[in-house]
Amino acid sequence: KNEVEQSPQNLTAQEGEFITINCSYSVGISALHWLQQHPGGGIVSLFMLSSGKKKHGRLIATINIQEKHSSLHITASHPRDSAVYICAVPVNTGNQFYFGTGTSLTVIP
Amino acid sequence: EAGVVQSPRYKIIEKKQPVAFWCNPISGHNTLYWYLQNLGQGPELLIRYENEEAVDDSQLPKDRFSAERLKGVDSTLKIQPAELGDSAVYLCASSLGYRDEQFFGPGTRLTVL
Repeated sequence: KNEVEQSPQNLTAQEGEFITINCSYSVGISALHWLQQHPGGGIVSLFMLSSGKKKHGRLIATINIQEKHSSLHITASHPRDSAVYICAVPVNTGNQFYFGTGTSLTVIP
Repeated sequence: EAGVVQSPRYKIIEKKQPVAFWCNPISGHNTLYWYLQNLGQGPELLIRYENEEAVDDSQLPKDRFSAERLKGVDSTLKIQPAELGDSAVYLCASSLGYRDEQFFGPGTRLTVL
């Protein structure tokens, strides 16, 4: 069982649609990261959050520590949002970072 | 400010050859990470440094992989000898401290033939 589960694995949306990507984790954490990786490109950190909600432009990230769940929302999606979105959690005990396998998003014009 | 720098961006070698990757983290970042990412999968941590000390190398295949961060700034990751299964993207990341936001380099795409 993976410590971090993401859904869906693949997502295709029409431009302008509201998109939600979900992340569930099974370990105790102090914070959760959302990362973005474009095809052939490096990884960009989008958010680091430990409670509540953060917003940056059209991106919104929420986390519920009690339910061990986080969501990444994209409003008014655009083809340039097409990328892989990865959820990552550092573990409270030990020295590990666990990553989800990513959600591959394709936004069609 | 420059981000995390990695070189080379691409490397193709024959199996059994040695290979080395270099990473220059963001200035002032004490924590440095090396990750391996296979196609279609998330990154997997290989080793984490706090300054020059390797505080977690439990996932590093020590029979062929080695890493160093001698002065607590730049780091190198070496594979000797490389195997076909080592073909992947090797990512370097840095953060101010452990659990702070990580900033990733562009990665080195290794192909072993």
